[in-house]
Order: sequence, then structure tokens, then C-alpha cells
Amino acid sequence: GEDVEQSLFLSVREGDSSVINCTYTDSSSTYLYWYKQEPGAGLQLLTYIFSNMDMKQDQRLTVLLNKKDKHLSLRIADTQTGDSAIYFCAESISPKDGNNRKLIWGLGTSLAVNP
Amino acid sequence: DTEVTQTPKHLVMGMTNKKSLKCEQHMGHRAMYWYKQKAKKPPELMFVYSYEKLSINESVPSRFSPECPNSSLLNLHLHALQPEDSALYLCASSQPGTMNTGELFFGEGSRLTVL
Repeated sequence: GEDVEQSLFLSVREGDSSVINCTYTDSSSTYLYWYKQEPGAGLQLLTYIFSNMDMKQDQRLTVLLNKKDKHLSLRIADTQTGDSAIYFCAESISPKDGNNRKLIWGLGTSLAVNP
Repeated sequence: DTEVTQTPKHLVMGMTNKKSLKCEQHMGHRAMYWYKQKAKKPPELMFVYSYEKLSINESVPSRFSPECPNSSLLNLHLHALQPEDSALYLCASSQPGTMNTGELFFGEGSRLTVL
């Protein structure tokens, strides 16, 4: 079946690195995503990685993908209080209709950044 | 700033009311989505429109009625809702088709309370 799992909570000190982990089950996933949701707001796409990549770096964000273990991680360097949010991992599975992908979402990891 | 605009931001309605949620995007995306999100949970897909045609209905009760008048607009008509329908309703858009990365652009959401 399709399933995405994440740890529910992470607490870090300001300035430290944060690592949020995610595991998924569908080996046909093409893209994997990290979305951020601040309190009372919608979801913001942070970054995504194509399934044939191992790593992607974008400023303070580093995404690592271990396709063999179906493990995805998001590392946030120099974590700031503004990074406090819920981070959702999502995998994109191949659509049956040939058009729109279907996203399978994790439950989200709530990141608390302490000053 | 989000490029997907949702109105109203907040809506309180009784169980006998009829109301509508509206969503607008001007990014030229041809796929639009309605998601429902309960507090601290991942979003749940409700409907997908692709090229203004309904392509996915995730077995949503008929008291929710989507409408896509044109490629920029998406409505969600609400009638005879239940208190358990209270949630954040998120609109999103993307480029359809498997050749695109399929990342979703979300609005800020409409927070619905059913009394």
C-alpha cells in the first residue's frame, strides 16, 4: 500500500541544524516533496527531489534520498525561529489517468526552534 | 505572497446555510484542487479539475459541490454541512501531465466553522 511516515515532533536550538526524516513505501514514486506549513497558513512547497537523484541542495536546505531504503530527509542548516512550522513529506505516485499526480502525505513533523 | 487567492479567509455557517468558497490563480495552471485539512493533520484531497473538467472526486459527500467556471477560477459550493465539516479548506493549482514536476501551489485557505 501507499504510506508515508514521519516523526511527529522535533525540537532544536536556534543556530543548530535540523534533520527531519521521512520513509515511504511506493517504489514507483517519481517525485518527493517537502512542504512547510506555518500556523494559520497554507502549505508552501519548500523543495522537491526527483527519484533518480540522491541529493539536492538549495541554500540552507539539503534533501537526501536513499531510494534503496525509501528514506528521505530534509536538513535545515542554521535553523531560525522563523523555521518553526509543520513540515510535510509527500510522495508523488504515478497517476492512473495519465494526467494529475496523486500526492501521498505524511502526518507532518512539528519543528520547534528554541532561542 | 501566494499566487493562489482564496476567499473568504474565514466563514461561519449554520447547517442549513448555502455558501461558497472561491479560489483564483493567474499562473496559467490548468489543474486545480480542493483539499480539506483538519488541525495538525495532512491535507486530504477532495477534488481535482484538469483542463476545467472534474478528473478526481475522492468520494466526497454531495453536500460539497465543486465548480470550475474557467481555467483561473475554482469554487466549492457548500450546502447542509455538518459540524464535522469544520476545517481549513485549501485550494491548490499545478500544471497537469506527467512531464511536469507536479508541485502544488497552495492558497492560504478558507477556515470554515459549521455551527
